[in-house]
Amino acid sequence: GDSVTQMEGPVTLSEEAFLTINCTYTATGYPSLFWYVQYPGEGLQLLLKATKADDKGSNKGFEATYRKETTSFHLEKGSVQVSDSAVYFCALMNYGGSQGNLIFGKGTKLSVKP
Amino acid sequence: DAGVIQSPRHEVTEMGQEVTLRCKPISGHDYLFWYRQTMMRGLELLIYFNNNVPIDDSGMPEDRFSAKMPNASFSTLKIQPSEPRDSAVYFCASRGTGTRTEAFFGQGTRLTVV
Repeated sequence: GDSVTQMEGPVTLSEEAFLTINCTYTATGYPSLFWYVQYPGEGLQLLLKATKADDKGSNKGFEATYRKETTSFHLEKGSVQVSDSAVYFCALMNYGGSQGNLIFGKGTKLSVKP
Repeated sequence: DAGVIQSPRHEVTEMGQEVTLRCKPISGHDYLFWYRQTMMRGLELLIYFNNNVPIDDSGMPEDRFSAKMPNASFSTLKIQPSEPRDSAVYFCASRGTGTRTEAFFGQGTRLTVV
């Protein structure tokens, strides 16, 4: 079945450091890929998405590129801030037929120190 | 739109009691999902509906759990009888039918069974 694997956390960085959170997936067909973010005590919010190969999703300085050849969707940010501290989830969604649910990775907790 | 609305935000109940969690999806969305989040298991899909019909309930842990969607604007997740191991944050999410659409999450219900 479809699945998502993301790097284990927690990840601790200093402010202005470069961030990479790795995400790889297994899926049939051509899923859409997502990064969601969860701040403490809140629900999940969509951070960015890509719907086809080579698409780059971007938002709030975060970027991720849909790489079909490596089945990856790594999240990057050039300079993190304390306010980026949160849990980040990589997810995929296959469409059509009985498929239509989001499949999540286990999440990666990011802590950014001033 | 107010987004996905869940109630209550917090619920504390005694073991053996019935618990009902409620969700109002975003108007016009055709899919509704129920997830459970715990430290040990991460995010688990319990069940999802399409046009008020349950599509996949394979994630429902056992017969103590049931979910209904009587109309397009309301869903419930019921646990009867509740047990301490049911303690978790329960999220509801919804999405539209359009291709490549993302899911939107509610704030969650934090359930504590003592």
